[in-house]
Amino acid sequence: ILNVEQSPQSLHVQEGDSTNFTCSFPSSNFYALHWYRWETAKSPEALFVMTLNGDEKKKGRISATLNTKEGYSYLYIKGSQPEDSATYLCAFNGGFKTIFGAGTRLFVKA
Amino acid sequence: ETGVTQTPRHLVMGMTNKKSLKCEQHLGHNAMYWYKQSAKKPLELMFVYSLEERVENNSVPSRFSPECPNSSHLFLHLHTLQPEDSALYLCASSQDLGIPEAFFGQGTRLTVV
Repeated sequence: ILNVEQSPQSLHVQEGDSTNFTCSFPSSNFYALHWYRWETAKSPEALFVMTLNGDEKKKGRISATLNTKEGYSYLYIKGSQPEDSATYLCAFNGGFKTIFGAGTRLFVKA
Repeated sequence: ETGVTQTPRHLVMGMTNKKSLKCEQHLGHNAMYWYKQSAKKPLELMFVYSLEERVENNSVPSRFSPECPNSSHLFLHLHTLQPEDSALYLCASSQDLGIPEAFFGQGTRLTVV
């Protein structure tokens, strides 16, 4: 059974705080790791697709790192803003199917 | 706006009803997917279509019947559902199976009464 675990389940931060959360995935048969941002009542939106061990990707204040050998990825948000409030999903692609984690629900208080 | 449109956005149906969910994409993608999200659970892949052929069926009960008449449209036909089938049903598409970055619709919130 392949499991993708995300932690924490939810996170409350103040505006301006920097934060990070974790996605753990199987370290074998790795093809790609995806991060999505899902705001309430909207579609999940792709943030990053990461394929190489040691990859670091950045989009504005959000960045992500990847360690395929130990099976984890971190998502970082610098200087959180209320509009960053959303569920952040990671998805492991093993070449044959994509398995999603349950998400980290981020609440940013103004 | 991701380019993937799902209708209806909300659906309430009785256990004896037959209804269909519709998904449409005009992104020129070749792969389309149905996902289910039940309360407090991860997204679960239900069906995968590539070039209008079903390539994956994840042990989904036969009361869910997908149809892909062309590369832009995907349907999920529902009949004799159970209350535990109440969930958010998301459609997604990707360029190809080998390029799995997915573009999602906003989902249909289904309630079975």
